[in-house]
Amino acid sequence: SQKIEQNSEALNIQEGKTATLTCNYTNYSPAYLQWYRQDPGRGPVFLLLIRENEKEKRKERLKVTFDTTLKQSLFHITASQPADSATYLCALDEGYQKVTFGTGTKLQVIP
Amino acid sequence: ETGVTQTPRHLVMGMTNKKSLKCEQHLGHNAMYWYKQSAKKPLELMFVYSLEERVENNSVPSRFSPECPNSSHLFLHLHTLQPEDSALYLCASSPEKSSYNEQFFGPGTRLTVL
Repeated sequence: SQKIEQNSEALNIQEGKTATLTCNYTNYSPAYLQWYRQDPGRGPVFLLLIRENEKEKRKERLKVTFDTTLKQSLFHITASQPADSATYLCALDEGYQKVTFGTGTKLQVIP
Repeated sequence: ETGVTQTPRHLVMGMTNKKSLKCEQHLGHNAMYWYKQSAKKPLELMFVYSLEERVENNSVPSRFSPECPNSSHLFLHLHTLQPEDSALYLCASSPEKSSYNEQFFGPGTRLTVL
């Protein structure tokens, strides 16, 4: 199965700045890639999905890119707010009804 | 809250106990999943059920026994667990017909094995 690396365990940024989180994978390029948000003591919540033939996807202040050459996805939160503080998980398609998750990056937005 | 509920939210058990975790989804999905989440580790897929049939069993020890009586309910029966089994156990569901496996998670059961 895939090995997934999310750039750092934790990321601190100032409120109003753009947060950029990285997801790298090692094997074959998946058909799609997902991003989830997880708050402490809660289950992950689906945010965005991007397919292998899409370069970029946007949803409100969120933007995801997918570069199959670099085997990388970037997740951006623009105009970040303290309420964006959470752990963000990258997940890759592994075939029939199965996805593999990364360990996540804990984002802290400082007021 | 999502349409996936889990009970209990917290569970403390001894190594000789038998307990069960329950998951219910109200989304009309046909696929359900059990994951284990330990500190500093990625979510580990344990079991996948599709239309009440187990389609994935990810080398999980037999002390974990899943049951899916219908497409809305999923159980995880626990017996003679070890302290290293302490973790957050998450249930999820997804539409059978979806190509993209967007998963809807419950809040999880925080399990502590003494």
